Amino acid sequence: DIQMTQSPSTLSASVGDRVTITCRASQSISNWVAWYQRKSGKAPRLLIYKASSLETGVPSRFSGSGSGTEFTLTISSLQPDDFATYYCQQYYSLVTFGQGTKLEIK
Amino acid sequence: EVQLVESGGDLVQPGGSLRLSCTASGFTFSDFGMSWVRQAPGKGLEWVSGISYTGNNTFYAGSVKGRFDISRDNSKNTLFLQMNSLRVEDTAVYYCAQGYGALDSWGQGTLVSVSS
Repeated sequence: DIQMTQSPSTLSASVGDRVTITCRASQSISNWVAWYQRKSGKAPRLLIYKASSLETGVPSRFSGSGSGTEFTLTISSLQPDDFATYYCQQYYSLVTFGQGTKLEIK
Repeated sequence: EVQLVESGGDLVQPGGSLRLSCTASGFTFSDFGMSWVRQAPGKGLEWVSGISYTGNNTFYAGSVKGRFDISRDNSKNTLFLQMNSLRVEDTAVYYCAQGYGALDSWGQGTLVSVSS
């Protein structure tokens, strides 16, 4: 099974900050990675697919990059609505999620 | 607008069975693979199972393989998850999702509690 190791598990930041979340795959997975935002009581929201493609309707301050085993999600300028938990996911072989990163207000 | 509505969650004893349903609307159901994902209390997301748009291909996480069975009825726009030999560790909110790679849209979930 492919493991996805996500870091950090918690991130404290302020509105306007640039933040980066990283995911490392246990083997090469090309660019078959997605990123999701999860708010309490709401269904997960797809942000990024194929490592760097922005889902329709997602603000351009979100971006994804990487290939092979290292992937990042970057939020260029944090907005109040962005404080949530973020998950990476690989779909190169079946599906595996990372452990999640809780983005908190500093 | 895509809508996915799960149902069938309940309290069940260890070793018991349960069948979850997910009714889809707002898109051509028969054109999309579908998935089930769960989240146990205090834990992260865990992919459970996926099925191709025809239903001919099914996929399972190792933790449920041999116990769970995914299926679909494209004439009724409905996805199913038959869960047998349930364990305490299967307790979670179960979500259906559109796709079986990147998951475009998700339902609100249905709670399955396994306890004696």
